[in-house]
Amino acid sequence: DGGITQSPKYLFRKEGQNVTLSCEQNLNHDAMYWYRQDPGQGLRLIYYSQIVNDFQKGDIAEGYSVSREKKESFPLTVTSAQKNPTAFYLCASSIRTGGDTQYFGPGTRLTVL
Amino acid sequence: AQSVAQPEDQVNVAEGNPLTVKCTYSVSGNPYLFWYVQYPNRGLQFLLKYITGDNLVKGSYGFEAEFNKSQTSFHLKKPSALVSDSALYFCAVRDLRYTGNQFYFGTGTSLTVIP
Repeated sequence: DGGITQSPKYLFRKEGQNVTLSCEQNLNHDAMYWYRQDPGQGLRLIYYSQIVNDFQKGDIAEGYSVSREKKESFPLTVTSAQKNPTAFYLCASSIRTGGDTQYFGPGTRLTVL
Repeated sequence: AQSVAQPEDQVNVAEGNPLTVKCTYSVSGNPYLFWYVQYPNRGLQFLLKYITGDNLVKGSYGFEAEFNKSQTSFHLKKPSALVSDSALYFCAVRDLRYTGNQFYFGTGTSLTVIP
């Protein structure tokens, strides 16, 4: 987990509310990623960013938004449009794109009440 | 189509015995392949990767994996299992058809090492 922090560790949200998950890295990595983990489904890519001020949709981007205003920060907003947001969210980073190892943060568990 | 598959949801092995966690992939060309381990309510920890070169890759904590192109497999192995190896293991593939560093993960294999 070293070098990548995610906060909060646990998050509870009421239906209809937007919520923002924080991801910060001090590894000087160019690329950052957000994944969603559900039991029995592995990890699915939500969004990724290869450089500051640029990001791309992953396989399940609907209902999520991101920003990349600083190299070290890549926050994820779960909007009210996300139908089933309860999951474990993982942030990762890599030096750059192109086969480099991705390193993961400790995760945020989001529960919708 | 699934890019990577882990055919076993659960693997049980006795402490001290060799362990194998299976992974097969279906991308074309020469993919990059990775193994990660996850402990409960934690992020994924990198174990090892295959990019090119020697088909036998050695990684952290005594784990190794063998790349087999003809069988499109990348099975994770350890000669002698420890109780502390009990965790969730993920295989991942970097599909070189895409410009982004997109990894595709298997569904995970839960390894239990029995004392």
